[in-house]
Amino acid sequence: SQQGEEDPQALSIQEGENATMNCSYKTSINNLQWYRQNSGRGLVHLILIRSNEREKHSGRLRVTLDTSKKSSSLLITASRAADTASYFCATDAISGAGSYQLTFGKGTKLSVIP
Amino acid sequence: GAGVSQSPSNKVTEKGKDVELRCDPISGHTALYWYRQSLGQGLEFLIYFQGNSAPDKSGLPSDRFSAERTGGSVSTLTIQRTQQEDSAVYLCASSLAGQGIYEQYFGPGTRLTVT
Repeated sequence: SQQGEEDPQALSIQEGENATMNCSYKTSINNLQWYRQNSGRGLVHLILIRSNEREKHSGRLRVTLDTSKKSSSLLITASRAADTASYFCATDAISGAGSYQLTFGKGTKLSVIP
Repeated sequence: GAGVSQSPSNKVTEKGKDVELRCDPISGHTALYWYRQSLGQGLEFLIYFQGNSAPDKSGLPSDRFSAERTGGSVSTLTIQRTQQEDSAVYLCASSLAGQGIYEQYFGPGTRLTVT
């Protein structure tokens, strides 16, 4: 089942603008990760934020985590056409077998118009 | 160093045939995961390996699906008697260890089309 739910489902912005994507989840987590996917193929890891962290930065990316609201946001500043992709949040949950499987949301499709 | 590789990149098969999908994880990564991405279901976890053993097979959709890992490295996902609903992109990921503090590195995926 899908734990993370991103919104919006699709986002179209002009180059140079900031893009904000949100993710909500249902159960307690250890970490939350954001991934990017181009053209429906391999996922690229962007950033991992631990459950005891509130904010993390990496280059033009800023991720926040609010465990009380069970939500996270990904901000991409000064967007570029090359940022056009689908963005997924993924939460890890310890399964009964001890596996840290990732549960993905359905993703936000970002289009950055040059 | 080399990332996760998967083969084939595309596979078209007839309904009822068996297929094998291969994953080469990053060297030294003990944890390996298989996921499936389809239009209707999004990204779904299939199976997790720690070394050569699979302590979590909870995501395998039916007994037609099986996977093995040998030498703590290469993994093969086998789908027997393929059905059209098996059509999807199958993604493999590896991480240093099966712990949530380690990010998972994904391969480019195998796009399976069952006709």
